[in-house]
Amino acid sequence: DAKTTQPPSMDCAEGRAANLPCNHSTISGNEYVYWYRQIHSQGPQYIIHGLKNNETNEMASLIITEDRKSSTLILPHATLRDTAVYYCIVRASGNTPLVFGKGTRLSVIA
Amino acid sequence: DAGVIQSPRHEVTEMGQEVTLRCKPISGHNSLFWYRQTMMRGLELLIYFNNNVPIDDSGMPEDRFSAKMPNASFSTLKIQPSEPRDSAVYFCASSLAPSVNSPLHFGNGTRLTVT
Repeated sequence: DAKTTQPPSMDCAEGRAANLPCNHSTISGNEYVYWYRQIHSQGPQYIIHGLKNNETNEMASLIITEDRKSSTLILPHATLRDTAVYYCIVRASGNTPLVFGKGTRLSVIA
Repeated sequence: DAGVIQSPRHEVTEMGQEVTLRCKPISGHNSLFWYRQTMMRGLELLIYFNNNVPIDDSGMPEDRFSAKMPNASFSTLKIQPSEPRDSAVYFCASSLAPSVNSPLHFGNGTRLTVT
């Protein structure tokens, strides 16, 4: 079972920041937070991951609360191509698979 | 890098026929995962391999499903005999274990339709 809770859907205006929340209140000390997204008819795509520090890459920023019980994925300037289902996943090691929940369906609106 | 390559992209078959799905992981990756996605159940893990050895096949629905990884560059998922309820998109993914900094890379899937 997925160990995360996400809102089922969100809307965001094109050009604005999209902030996608995730609750993972039972996360263990050795578990990382991963974000993936799935655009229609494609396989899931890796976005970013982190342990306890905030992380940023060319796609997004990940903000993890100090108690690590929740996180927020930020797409700074959403475009129509960012419309997808976004999955937040916790994972302990590189040997273990990802367990996907239902994710958040983000719709970017022109 | 060509990424994870899956074939075929689409497969339509009749109930009772054997179906073989193929996956070529990213070169150098030593973990391989098979997932299935349906509208009702979302993305489900079927089986995964580390260094060509099956680690956990508890997600395989039943004995009609089997997976092999004869070498580091090839894996198959076979369904025999196929049933209409097997209709789904099947994804293969690979990563470089055991590093947590190695994300899973997914192929674009095989859409299976069993009539």
